[in-house]
Amino acid sequence: NAGVTQTPKFQVLKTGQSMTLQCAQDMNHEYMSWYRQDPGMGLRLIHYSVGAGITDQGEVPNGYNVSRSTTEDFPLRLLSAAPSQTSVYFCASSATRAGELFFGEGSRLTVL
Amino acid sequence: EDKVVQSPLSLVVHEGDTVTLNCSYEVTNFRSLLWYKQEKKAPTFLFMLTSSGIEKKSGRLSSILDKKELFSILNITATQTGDSAVYLCARTYGGSQGNLIFGKGTKLSVKP
Repeated sequence: NAGVTQTPKFQVLKTGQSMTLQCAQDMNHEYMSWYRQDPGMGLRLIHYSVGAGITDQGEVPNGYNVSRSTTEDFPLRLLSAAPSQTSVYFCASSATRAGELFFGEGSRLTVL
Repeated sequence: EDKVVQSPLSLVVHEGDTVTLNCSYEVTNFRSLLWYKQEKKAPTFLFMLTSSGIEKKSGRLSSILDKKELFSILNITATQTGDSAVYLCARTYGGSQGNLIFGKGTKLSVKP
């Protein structure tokens, strides 16, 4: 009963490095998304996907790339990490386009 | 501006108290308003409200949406220390998108 699984849970990067946050769900959900959560800012949408092969930008997409080659996986790529990307990242999925989101446990990223 | 505003930002009560958390928003055309509870990690789903005036209940928690006055409330009766968490309100945006705009949350602390 895995639900939404994110890896890694913690990561420290240096400015300019790249990395990929992995997200996988086993609920056969069509909709997946990435949010970042910063103190005092709430959760903000980075990118989302309504199905395999379809992605779109959310509220704060700059500096991030996504792809959706399968229904199960939705990785988030940081191309050149910046200190402003220090945050907690949550992946989420939903069975419908406007309904309950199931969240992963989060990935805490620190960029030095 | 398109925001979801929660109040109060933080609240300290004693066990057994009843609390009301507020969520206001600024647009009329959206599909659903959702409440989540966030303890240490991932937000967990509480309620999804789509119709105005219909209360949803789950144990000691209840919620209602007023689409005319553009707000929702989350009530918790007979609070317990286990209710201590950040409560997040979010609304869907976009006619056919499953994306959420979150408020900044209300941090509830329940003291023994």
